[in-house]
Amino acid sequence: KAGVTQTPRYLIKTRGQQVTLSCSPISGHRSVSWYQQTPGQGLQFLFEYFSETQRNKGNFPGRFSGRQFSNSRSEMNVSTLELGDSALYLCASSLGSRESEQFFGPGTRLTVL
Amino acid sequence: DAKTTQPPSMDCAEGRAANLPCNHSTISGNEYVYWYRQIHSQGPQYIIHGLKNNETNEMASLIITEDRKSSTLILPHATLRDTAVYYCIVRAPPVAGGGNKLTFGTGTQLKVEL
Repeated sequence: KAGVTQTPRYLIKTRGQQVTLSCSPISGHRSVSWYQQTPGQGLQFLFEYFSETQRNKGNFPGRFSGRQFSNSRSEMNVSTLELGDSALYLCASSLGSRESEQFFGPGTRLTVL
Repeated sequence: DAKTTQPPSMDCAEGRAANLPCNHSTISGNEYVYWYRQIHSQGPQYIIHGLKNNETNEMASLIITEDRKSSTLILPHATLRDTAVYYCIVRAPPVAGGGNKLTFGTGTQLKVEL
């Protein structure tokens, strides 16, 4: 079974630009969550999508948004990039049921210059 | 979700058991204990989870105290490839309308040495 895939793996942008990251979950998984990891703040939850609906959201500004498609693939968008948005962005998929574990992708390393 | 406390770092000799402690004294009755690990620059990897009883799988064992205020992850025969940051996470099960949010702490950096 193929794992969670994220594209692109590396990205360099400049301040003020916007970026879209993509995540393809494991086949059959309906839940996709996004996390941001930085050296200073560690791993922080951004949001979760389940069956195309956002069902949980972390404490991030509105510049961070996401969506999920009918095939469960998900995208997250960051607008008006700031230097502090430089981070590893991780996507995790799960069945979405009661105890289901989450499977993480390799992440997208975003550098904002 | 309840807060967890872990030692920032631990060392273990290869081939020996690695015992990683976690304190979660404010855990609620319906909250599970999950363990994930993250090898440098990779995505976190699920290890094991439990509610009350001790659990074992092919990777590790999870021992939860009777009062559920602490737990220990045991890697029975640590190898160099087990060097990673280990996260203990306590979370309520996703309920109807709820979600799969994981709240990561700072974890324990386990270093396995020859």
